[in-house]
Amino acid sequence: GAVVSQHPSWVICKSGTSVKIECRSLDFQATTMFWYRQFPKQSLMLMATSNEGSKATYEQGVEKDKFLINHASLTLSTLTVTSAHPEDSSFYICSTTSVSYEQYFGPGTRLTVT
Amino acid sequence: RKEVEQDPGPFNVPEGATVAFNCTYSNSASQSFFWYRQDCRKEPKLLMSVYSSGNEDGRFTAQLNRASQYISLLIRDSKLSDSATYLCVVNRKAAGNKLTFGGGTRVLVKP
Repeated sequence: GAVVSQHPSWVICKSGTSVKIECRSLDFQATTMFWYRQFPKQSLMLMATSNEGSKATYEQGVEKDKFLINHASLTLSTLTVTSAHPEDSSFYICSTTSVSYEQYFGPGTRLTVT
Repeated sequence: RKEVEQDPGPFNVPEGATVAFNCTYSNSASQSFFWYRQDCRKEPKLLMSVYSSGNEDGRFTAQLNRASQYISLLIRDSKLSDSATYLCVVNRKAAGNKLTFGGGTRVLVKP
């Protein structure tokens, strides 16, 4: 069964609005979750590491004020894309990790900004 | 140079044939290696971990060559359902649980 869920699975929003994506760990408590972005025909790029109870750590080039991450509980992390623009249209995927470094991915959220 | 490089393909494979492809990684401190499979517009799913001695899972065989810094994946008796993009993924303990993904190798199995 699914280990990680994401909601919504797809969303269309207007330019300038904000969109919140939820990532839930279903089978275990996740102190760490990862957020990735994937553009068409490209591989996954890590955006940030979400740490329960503390600030997220962002990869170089990812604006922390634009991509707000909140990891308020051991089963839920949220990514909010603020003031979305068409170039933010992408496939956003979260993941949790096991002790053996295997990662389990959520089904992804396809964001289209018009 | 990308940290993990793959031939993007596509590899066009007749059904029932064998296909193999490699992935190279640049950081010699890489410690854990994986092959993930990604179908179109879906999330990646773990296919198999790759161990130093090489390992097999059904029709799939993975090899690791630390000296030359590459890993390989071989698929025997290809099925139509094997058509997907195969992602080479590495992890460094020093980087925590962060994974670095290759660009993927696309495999198309045809009847």
